[in-house]
Amino acid sequence: DAGVTQSPTHLIKTRGQQVTLRCSPKSGHDTVSWYQQALGQGPQFIFQYYEEEERQRGNFPDRFSGHQFPNYSSELNVNALLLGDSALYLCASSLSRYNQPQHFGDGTRLSIL
Amino acid sequence: AQTVTQSQPEMSVQEAETVTLSCTYDTSESDYYLFWYKQPPSRQMILVIRQEAYKQQNATENRFSVNFQKAAKSFSLKISDSQLGDAAMYFCAYRGSNNAGNNRKLIWGLGTSLAVNP
Repeated sequence: DAGVTQSPTHLIKTRGQQVTLRCSPKSGHDTVSWYQQALGQGPQFIFQYYEEEERQRGNFPDRFSGHQFPNYSSELNVNALLLGDSALYLCASSLSRYNQPQHFGDGTRLSIL
Repeated sequence: AQTVTQSQPEMSVQEAETVTLSCTYDTSESDYYLFWYKQPPSRQMILVIRQEAYKQQNATENRFSVNFQKAAKSFSLKISDSQLGDAAMYFCAYRGSNNAGNNRKLIWGLGTSLAVNP
């Protein structure tokens, strides 16, 4: 039973570029959440997707956008990259019913030069 | 707004000994979940233990147990018989239990780095 998988593992971009990160949820999960974890910090909630719609959003600018596909996989897009976007991006999946805990992938390390 | 505070940036413990990591939180809600996650250098956030606020009994998972003090809004993690593999960052997290609005996201502390000495 595959857990949460994220790709790519590591990515290097320059300021102003755009990036797309991908996440496949754990089998049976229907909800995907994205978090940004800066070095030495706890994760910060970006947004959550359920039934292909953004259900909740954290305090992130519109440069951060996402999508969920019918198979529940998800993408995180970041436009006009800034140096401050350098972080570990974590994807978590869960089952929307029964308040189940979130399961995390290994993350994508994004470095902005 | 809910907040989570971990006041110990770093802790260390001798192998086979017991260590307690502290976490306090602030909320006006009466029903919620609390979690401890472990993040080793491999980066994956691994769920260690969770506590439902309406349950008075403290959660336990093998060598891991919590001391949940709802009135004091305290949620500490005790690791017994510490092993070298326990070395990691430990994060305390809060989530409301209502499946609507702001209660779905996890709110995190800054983490505690645990070193296990042989």
